[in-house]
Amino acid sequence: KQEVTQIPAALSVPEGENLVLNCSFTDSAIYNLQWFRQDPGKGLTSLLLIQSSQREQTSGRLNASLDKSSGRSTLYIAASQPGDSATYLCAVPYNYGQNFVFGPGTRLSVLP
Amino acid sequence: DAGVTQSPTHLIKTRGQQVTLRCSPKSGHDTVSWYQQALGQGPQFIFQYYEEEERQRGNFPDRFSGHQFPNYSSELNVNALLLGDSALYLCASSLSGSNYGYTFGSGTRLTVV
Repeated sequence: KQEVTQIPAALSVPEGENLVLNCSFTDSAIYNLQWFRQDPGKGLTSLLLIQSSQREQTSGRLNASLDKSSGRSTLYIAASQPGDSATYLCAVPYNYGQNFVFGPGTRLSVLP
Repeated sequence: DAGVTQSPTHLIKTRGQQVTLRCSPKSGHDTVSWYQQALGQGPQFIFQYYEEEERQRGNFPDRFSGHQFPNYSSELNVNALLLGDSALYLCASSLSGSNYGYTFGSGTRLTVV
């Protein structure tokens, strides 16, 4: 059974800091991994999708890496801003299908 | 271009009652998936509907059932509500065969009292 964990559970940083969020998964036979953002009481927005053949994916100030063999992914946020405050979740495919197993998320607060 | 719409946004039910939640997928999408998100946790996959049939199911009891209509919209039904069913229920739509472009609605907050 695939399990996804994320550390830290919560993080509070001053504006401008670079930060790293971590994700681990138990079954390395995944074909992709996605990072999502969730604002309080809202749905999820996809940030980055990394295919299993890739090691990194970048979008603006966000960079995600994937190491399948070790069952790990990291999300790097550069020059954090108060607008980045949200919960960040990583997700891998559920039973090799189209749906997801999510981690519990990292709740990020960026202080002005 | 409307995204995924869910109704109602909030709902309060009494233990033992039944509830129906509704979802309209993003234009151009034909597949709908439902998730349950308890407070402080990540979403858990309930089931997915495509071509009006349940195609994949997560580890949820039979009290959770669904339906997809010919216009691709979907309903989630929960019978015999328990206090533990209180959660944010998220609907996501996609195009069959891909989890790229997977789009979530804002959810229905269900409170069971």
